[in-house]
Amino acid sequence: DSGVTQTPKHLITATGQRVTLRCSPRSGDLSVYWYQQSLDQGLQFLIQYYNGEERAKGNILERFSAQQFPDLHSELNLSSLELGDSALYFCASSPRGEGTEAFFGQGTRLTVV
Amino acid sequence: DQQVKQNSPSLSVQEGRISILNCDYTNSMFDYFLWYKKYPAEGPTFLISISSIKDKNEDGRFTVFLNKSAKHLSLHIVPSQPGDSAVYFCAASELNNNDMRFGAGTRLTVKP
Repeated sequence: DSGVTQTPKHLITATGQRVTLRCSPRSGDLSVYWYQQSLDQGLQFLIQYYNGEERAKGNILERFSAQQFPDLHSELNLSSLELGDSALYFCASSPRGEGTEAFFGQGTRLTVV
Repeated sequence: DQQVKQNSPSLSVQEGRISILNCDYTNSMFDYFLWYKKYPAEGPTFLISISSIKDKNEDGRFTVFLNKSAKHLSLHIVPSQPGDSAVYFCAASELNNNDMRFGAGTRLTVKP
């Protein structure tokens, strides 16, 4: 158990809909990362928050947004969903966000039908 | 842009032999490198790391080698065990930056 909790574990939704994925980082970790893994591909970095503020942005679509709340949990919002958005979405956390190892949650499997 | 590349999607080795997984990067600002292991239906787990001030880091059966001039790192697993069968991701970051970049992964199969 990495200490990072992601909910829900599975999500099935229709095209055009909007979903919210939730991540609770390890206790004390200030940095939260979101990654997308499609069809056995590599991990694509989406976005990173540090202590409530956006720190780095990767290949995140404009239809996607994220935030980190004062209690440090984070949410990834995906809207106007398309079939190609079906993927595993991982959240990771690290203590200071300074390039040290990140600890991953078990992921949310999103299926868009 | 694929700043971290793992050009071998898969690797198969015999139990007891050495597994060598390779990773190349393009961003010379990267100064911290990590390997993660991922089993099906689980999140990646940290395996071993190396900072750019070193060229080798060893932890039990796992050794990571860094060649900064070639922008190349490799993970050696000796001896390989069937339980090592997983997808291995290489990652890189700048110590004062925060967007860790991952390679596409290499699926290692260790045959008994």
